[in-house]
Amino acid sequence: KQEVTQIPAALSVPEGENLVLNCSFTDSAIYNLQWFRQDPGKGLTSLLLIQSSQREQTSGRLNASLDKSSGRSTLYIAASQPGDSATYLCAEKTSYGKLTFGQGTILTVHP
Amino acid sequence: ETGVTQSPTHLIKTRGQQVTLRCSSQSGHNTVSWYQQALGQGPQFIFQYYREEENGRGNFPPRFSGLQFPNYSSELNVNALELDDSALYLCASSWASDQQYFGPGTRLTVT
Repeated sequence: KQEVTQIPAALSVPEGENLVLNCSFTDSAIYNLQWFRQDPGKGLTSLLLIQSSQREQTSGRLNASLDKSSGRSTLYIAASQPGDSATYLCAEKTSYGKLTFGQGTILTVHP
Repeated sequence: ETGVTQSPTHLIKTRGQQVTLRCSSQSGHNTVSWYQQALGQGPQFIFQYYREEENGRGNFPPRFSGLQFPNYSSELNVNALELDDSALYLCASSWASDQQYFGPGTRLTVT
């Protein structure tokens, strides 16, 4: 059974801090790993997608890494801002395209 | 290019009723996936439709059913609604098993 776990469940940091969100997955036949952002009551915004053949992806202040051998991915956010406050979800994709999501990390960045 | 749209935005139903949710896929996409997101949880895969045929199903009972039309839009139908069906329902479109793009979701409340 595929499982995706995210740690921590919630994180509160002061503005300007660098932070790391963790995601672990059990299915080694991963096709890709994707990080999403979700604002309260809203849909999902894709942040970064890492193919199984890649080690990391970067977009602006965000960097995501993928280690298939250990079943882990991390999302690094540099110089956090209050506007980064949201729920961050990771999802692994296998086979025909089904995404298996973690439960998310609720991030609060306070001024 | 038009993104993924869903209707309605919100709706309230009574236990035992039936509901239909709609999703218009992004231009050029032929696959629609549906997810259920309960409050405080990550999205759970319901099923996927590819070229009007169901192409994979998650752990949901048969009272959850779907359709995909020739224009690749899709419907999710839920019969005999239960209180636990209250959730945000997300659809995502893609070209085959490529990256999925999510709509804003439909918030269903069952009373």
